[in-house]
Amino acid sequence: NAGVTQTPKFRILKIGQSMTLQCTQDMNHNYMYWYRQDPGMGLKLIYYSVGAGITDKGEVPNGYNVSRSTTEDFPLRLELAAPSQTSVYFCASSYSYTQHFGDGTRLSIL
Amino acid sequence: TQLLEQSPQFLSIQEGENLTVYCNSSSVFSSLQWYRQEPGEGPVLLVTVVTGGEVKKLKRLTFQFGDARKDSSLHITAAQPGDTGLYLCAGSYNTDKLIFGTGTRLQVFP
Repeated sequence: NAGVTQTPKFRILKIGQSMTLQCTQDMNHNYMYWYRQDPGMGLKLIYYSVGAGITDKGEVPNGYNVSRSTTEDFPLRLELAAPSQTSVYFCASSYSYTQHFGDGTRLSIL
Repeated sequence: TQLLEQSPQFLSIQEGENLTVYCNSSSVFSSLQWYRQEPGEGPVLLVTVVTGGEVKKLKRLTFQFGDARKDSSLHITAAQPGDTGLYLCAGSYNTDKLIFGTGTRLQVFP
């Protein structure tokens, strides 16, 4: 099993550009999450989903959007990239309180 | 507002030394987890504690959940260079959503 797969691993965007961070899991987990991790900090929850068709805001949702059309996929969309969104983004899925993380996407906004 | 504070923020020690990392909150959690994260990777679950006063051991790592379920500690005996990484505590309020702590970055020198 691949677990949680995130693409791309690295990306540089210009201010105002948009992009989608992809996340897919092959464990048939209902719960999926997007976090951002800034230098020297823990993880902050952006959005989460408890199943296909259901999404909800986390602690820092502004500037982001998500969708969950299938159990496997949970893409994160940045519409108008801003320097404050420079961070490492982690996607996770969970079953019974144990979260499984992808290896992250390192995003720089210049 | 950061609900989970970890201390120390950084820890640099020699191989063979013992250390303790603390995770403190003013909130009561239904369960608390410890994750370890290596550079370029996502966090990996080490342990989950659910009962106040619970102690769990994982080889040289000992985890304790406070009696009031507001705090936790991670003790490492005879640290090895392979223990180097970012240690994150995360609390749950009886859901699959987690609140992550601020993180403790551990460096163990040979």
